[in-house]
Amino acid sequence: GQNIDQPTEMTATEGAIVQINCTYQTSGFNGLFWYQQHAGEAPTFLSYNVLDGLEEKGRFSSFLSRSKGYSYLLLKELQMKDSASYLCAVRGIHLNQAGTALIFGKGTTLSVSS
Amino acid sequence: DSGVTQTPKHLITATGQRVTLRCSPRSGDLSVYWYQQSLDQGLQFLIQYYNGEERAKGNILERFSAQQFPDLHSELNLSSLELGDSALYFCASSVTAGSLETQYFGPGTRLLVL
Repeated sequence: GQNIDQPTEMTATEGAIVQINCTYQTSGFNGLFWYQQHAGEAPTFLSYNVLDGLEEKGRFSSFLSRSKGYSYLLLKELQMKDSASYLCAVRGIHLNQAGTALIFGKGTTLSVSS
Repeated sequence: DSGVTQTPKHLITATGQRVTLRCSPRSGDLSVYWYQQSLDQGLQFLIQYYNGEERAKGNILERFSAQQFPDLHSELNLSSLELGDSALYFCASSVTAGSLETQYFGPGTRLLVL
């Protein structure tokens, strides 16, 4: 089967650092993506990892360990506007298909308070 | 703004009815994906088209169908609607169907079935 696990909720304060973990078990692996989604809005792309290691992008960093089926998203210098749902998604291999759709976790709702 | 457009933004209909959701991908994108997001299931992949042809199928019900037209816009048809079909329906697009392609999401269509 295919499974992606993330914590349901996290809370943090402005200026802090928060790490959102994601573990996955999928049929094949072609990359891991992180998206941010504000309530009722479209998911917006944050980062992706295809090789092991850390990818840094401003206040956001994402880490991947393929052998452990594990990733995390690190958010630094938290701001109130970072309150949102963070979705971990894996691009697996669809058996007998050439598709490249994403398999999403249920998301982690992050609440940032002052 | 991702460049992906979806219409309508909101749709209210009754059980047993049929509706059509429309998506225009970003300029130059050949691949279109449809996702359904409900509160309890998270984002679920429904179907992918690439340059007019079906590429992959996910958890799409037989009552649902889609197509991609020569101008690359796509339509998702939902028929014999049930209360449980109430959800946000997102369309996403990418340049090709390559595994490293980032998908950009449209604003979604919120469907409410009464």
